[in-house]
Amino acid sequence: QSALTQPASVSGSPGQSITISCTGTSSDVGGYNYVSWYQQHPGKAPKLMIYDVSNRPSGVSNRFSGSKSGNTASLTISGLQAEDEADYYCSSYTSSSTLSFGGGTKLTVL
Amino acid sequence: QVQLVQSGAEVKKPGASVKVSCKASGYTFTSYYMHWVRQAPGQGLEWMGIINPSGGSTSYAQKFQGRVTMTRDTSTSTVYMELSSLRSEDTAVYYCAREWNESLDYWGQGTLVTVSS
Repeated sequence: QSALTQPASVSGSPGQSITISCTGTSSDVGGYNYVSWYQQHPGKAPKLMIYDVSNRPSGVSNRFSGSKSGNTASLTISGLQAEDEADYYCSSYTSSSTLSFGGGTKLTVL
Repeated sequence: QVQLVQSGAEVKKPGASVKVSCKASGYTFTSYYMHWVRQAPGQGLEWMGIINPSGGSTSYAQKFQGRVTMTRDTSTSTVYMELSSLRSEDTAVYYCAREWNESLDYWGQGTLVTVSS
């Protein structure tokens, strides 16, 4: 059982927007602005998409955005494209000075 | 360019130990913490621990306390993760990843460790 809770799957059609949630507690997501999101294609290493809740690393499309409210963080992908189909994981720094990951969400582009 | 290159796949018997290496290049090795994360087949990401390449200090996830050891060699810009008393549930891809702004910005290619009798 993962420390952070994500939906197992989400789907959307090309051009649409989807949002993936990541729910933790006040000891992780709610207590720090250190939430990150990773994209992982099959057989590949994860790729950083969002850091510090809402910041995009250089080179990441502005179709990806992040936010947080209370103990829940969210990743929104707008203008869905076929190449966005992947697994997405959230992570958070914790009060124990560790990292926690969500269980992952499989995004299907219909 | 930043690169993290990990050692090759391993097959181990239950009860054995495995040591995975991660060689860093393209940046100042001692300036960034390094994490280890594993992923069992068809499962999610699991954080194992962190090492400070500068001083060598470490912090491990409680689940792996007593079984994992992370070390570094500054002369070769390499970090190592050794896991002992292997069991079948330890079959997974093991990744090293560099920490940047409390996130993991560069990842190794992964090392598959298979535990089987």
